[in-house]
Amino acid sequence: ILNVEQSPQSLHVQEGDSTNFTCSFPSSNFYALHWYRWETAKSPEALFVMTLNGDEKKKGRISATLNTKEGYSYLYIKGSQPEDSATYLCASPTGNQFYFGTGTSLTVIP
Amino acid sequence: DSGVTQTPKHLITATGQRVTLRCSPRSGDLSVYWYQQSLDQGLQFLIQYYNGEERAKGNILERFSAQQFPDLHSELNLSSLELGDSALYFCASSVAAGGPGGALFFGEGSRLTVL
Repeated sequence: ILNVEQSPQSLHVQEGDSTNFTCSFPSSNFYALHWYRWETAKSPEALFVMTLNGDEKKKGRISATLNTKEGYSYLYIKGSQPEDSATYLCASPTGNQFYFGTGTSLTVIP
Repeated sequence: DSGVTQTPKHLITATGQRVTLRCSPRSGDLSVYWYQQSLDQGLQFLIQYYNGEERAKGNILERFSAQQFPDLHSELNLSSLELGDSALYFCASSVAAGGPGGALFFGEGSRLTVL
């Protein structure tokens, strides 16, 4: 089982704060790094798929970076809003194995 | 709407019984993945199919089996059910066979309750 780890496990921030979380993965046999957003009572939705070392992706106030040499990715949220409250999952598929980390649960307090 | 359809949405059954969960992938997607989410647990990868063939197995119990049919829909069969099998079962589809591939698109899940 691929050891994908996420930190912190949970996070509470005030509306307007910027925040970031980490996804760590084995740097050997790297193929891709996926980020998903999972709102309560809904299903996970893809945010980013990154494949290249140094890759940076952005979608609105959310962005992500990738370091494949050291095996980590950061997800940043700028100016958090209550609607950003969700669990953020990362996954680093190897071959056909597609394991997710346990996620970072973000709560944005109005 | 992700385009992935799962049925049933909710299912209540008794221990020892057998159930079948169904998944229709997005149009054009050949890969189907099954995941289990138990209480306070993350997404546990169960199994993956690509164009009718099993491609990867994760933490799937021997009491569970799956298949993907020629029309690309997939079914997850859960037998000899135990209380601990109560969970939300997600299906996800992707255009790719695996590796970097594309993003996964998730269905809304099937919530199984075993009494």
